[in-house]
Amino acid sequence: EVQLVQSGAEVKKPGESLKISCKGSGYSFTSYWIGWVRQMPGKGLEWMGIIYPGDSDTRYSPSFQGQVTISADKSISTAYLQWSSLKASDTAMYYCARPAGQGSSSAINIWGQGTMVTVSS
Amino acid sequence: QLVLTQSPSASASLGASVKLTCTLSSGHSSYAIAWHQQQPEKGPRYLMKVNSDGSHSKGDGIPDRFSGSISGAERYLTISSLQSEDEADYYCQTWGTGIWVFGGGTKLTVL
Repeated sequence: EVQLVQSGAEVKKPGESLKISCKGSGYSFTSYWIGWVRQMPGKGLEWMGIIYPGDSDTRYSPSFQGQVTISADKSISTAYLQWSSLKASDTAMYYCARPAGQGSSSAINIWGQGTMVTVSS
Repeated sequence: QLVLTQSPSASASLGASVKLTCTLSSGHSSYAIAWHQQQPEKGPRYLMKVNSDGSHSKGDGIPDRFSGSISGAERYLTISSLQSEDEADYYCQTWGTGIWVFGGGTKLTVL
């Protein structure tokens, strides 16, 4: 079974750093892009960026460029989303997702279960 | 610019049918899209891909009550025989080279 399993909920203070993870299983991790999607409380889905674990080619939404870093460790089939200095406005649910095809240009058909990040002083 | 537009809300009665719309921006009417369902307090779930020729392919376990279609730049999700568990947010999604795009979502209320 193809699965994306995300790390658990986090509670952080403004200014702290954070790295959340998304582990892929049941498929060739290096052959499919993985993306990150933000959902702020009561709001819709926003695409943040995608990475190709095979060569770490990474693309960011202009809205998130410079705000977060996406990376992957193919040796452990895990993608990451990290912040160097969190803000209260980063409070949201974060989902990783994988497209159906082996290119970035394909429908998402696999979703992680989500990681809730709460940033509060 | 690749943009998807959805109505914020829709409603229909239990047992009835409803058609949700996702509109592609000008110049992008040949794009395929995907529909995703997000039930309250749950993560998104892939429903189906709707191709530019109007064909659609559903995810595993998606009931026959869910179907997709197109007309020009509009992409539709039709849900028939509405059930209470269909009350959810529905998002359309498309993609380009190195980018993903989501519509704003439609909140479906089952009356």
